[in-house]
Amino acid sequence: DAGVIQSPRHEVTEMGQEVTLRCKPISGHDYLFWYRQTMMRGLELLIYFNNNVPIDDSGMPEDRFSAKMPNASFSTLKIQPSEPRDSAVYFCASRSQGLGTGELFFGEGSRLTVL
Amino acid sequence: TQLLEQSPQFLSIQEGENLTVYCNSSSVFSSLQWYRQEPGEGPVLLVTVVTGGEVKKLKRLTFQFGDARKDSSLHITAAQPGDTGLYLCAGAGPSGTYKYIFGTGTRLKVLA
Repeated sequence: DAGVIQSPRHEVTEMGQEVTLRCKPISGHDYLFWYRQTMMRGLELLIYFNNNVPIDDSGMPEDRFSAKMPNASFSTLKIQPSEPRDSAVYFCASRSQGLGTGELFFGEGSRLTVL
Repeated sequence: TQLLEQSPQFLSIQEGENLTVYCNSSSVFSSLQWYRQEPGEGPVLLVTVVTGGEVKKLKRLTFQFGDARKDSSLHITAAQPGDTGLYLCAGAGPSGTYKYIFGTGTRLKVLA
């Protein structure tokens, strides 16, 4: 089975530009999470969805960040305008409510560099 | 805000040594997980503990959940170079929520 698929794997952009990160969760999973990882702050939860509905977005840094999940197989995280402090690795993860272990399945991440 | 502090932050040991990594919080968690992350990849689940005082073993790795469900430890016996990686604990809030908060991480390097 395919795992969580994220794109792009790497993105380098200039300050002020719009950035869109994409995620395809594992088929059948009903929860989707967006995390951001930096050396200084570790792995931070930004937002999570259940059945395509945003449940908790309290981790979204500010209004420049937005996330959508138009259907069960696709989600986007958008940063507009981007700033150098947004440089990080962004991970998408999914899980199934039916799985007893509560395991989060992570994608390989999107490494964002904002110059 | 729930916070999970891990210690030590960094650990470099020789192959064959034993080590323990700690994950502590002032909050109670309904369950706690341990993940390992290798460079360029996402974290991968090692174990989930649910009951206070629970002990789980995975080959040379032993995981324990504190009685009060606020802390956990990971013990590795006879570490091998393949154990090298970033170890992360993650706590889930009250039953019914799926907001996983990750710890600060322990970066382990095992030298051959």
